[in-house]
Amino acid sequence: DTGVSQNPRHKITKRGQNVTFRCDPISEHNRLYWYRQTLGQGPEFLTYFQNEAQLEKSRLLSDRFSAERPKGSFSTLEIQRTEQGDSAMYLCASSLGTGGRGYTFGSGTRLTVV
Amino acid sequence: GQQVMQIPQYQHVQEGEDFTTYCNSSTTLSNIQWYKQRPGGHPVFLIQLVKSGEVKKQKRLTFQFGEAKKNSSLHITATQTTDVGTYFCAGGVDRGSTLGRLYFGRGTQLTVWP
Repeated sequence: DTGVSQNPRHKITKRGQNVTFRCDPISEHNRLYWYRQTLGQGPEFLTYFQNEAQLEKSRLLSDRFSAERPKGSFSTLEIQRTEQGDSAMYLCASSLGTGGRGYTFGSGTRLTVV
Repeated sequence: GQQVMQIPQYQHVQEGEDFTTYCNSSTTLSNIQWYKQRPGGHPVFLIQLVKSGEVKKQKRLTFQFGEAKKNSSLHITATQTTDVGTYFCAGGVDRGSTLGRLYFGRGTQLTVWP
């Protein structure tokens, strides 16, 4: 297992288009998180899953954002009708249920909305 | 709402000097985690503190969690050029778990002159 994998690494889209990102966590990790990071800021929480259950979703997240983890393995994050303000690095992370070792982040998907 | 404030935002030191970053929360935390992000990279977990007044060391790095579990610090002794990066604190508020949502500080960007 080589860590948390995210695809694509970069995505450029036109305003108004829909985009979908994929995250493959470390296989034995049961928790999966999505964060968003803009330049000069810390990661901002979007949502997280325990297995296939979505346990929390940020109130900052509009209805244009949706995340799934259908079989408790990989996850997808979809943004509908993208806006320029959605441009950011989208980070996925996973963790093991016993805790103590923090999150393992992926390399992220950089989204640019033009 | 929950906020985690981190200072300073930037720190420039000469190699061999010490470095400290401070983190403060508006509410009591269940745990505090520290991450390091190299330029162009993703956050990498350093450590987790759970107990009031806890102090942990990793070689030249010393991490503290305040008695009230509202503040934390990271101190690096005798910085090296390999310490360059942005250091983030991240607080959790879930009482029953250290694996829930984290509130990240804005980070302290450390630059080290050779």
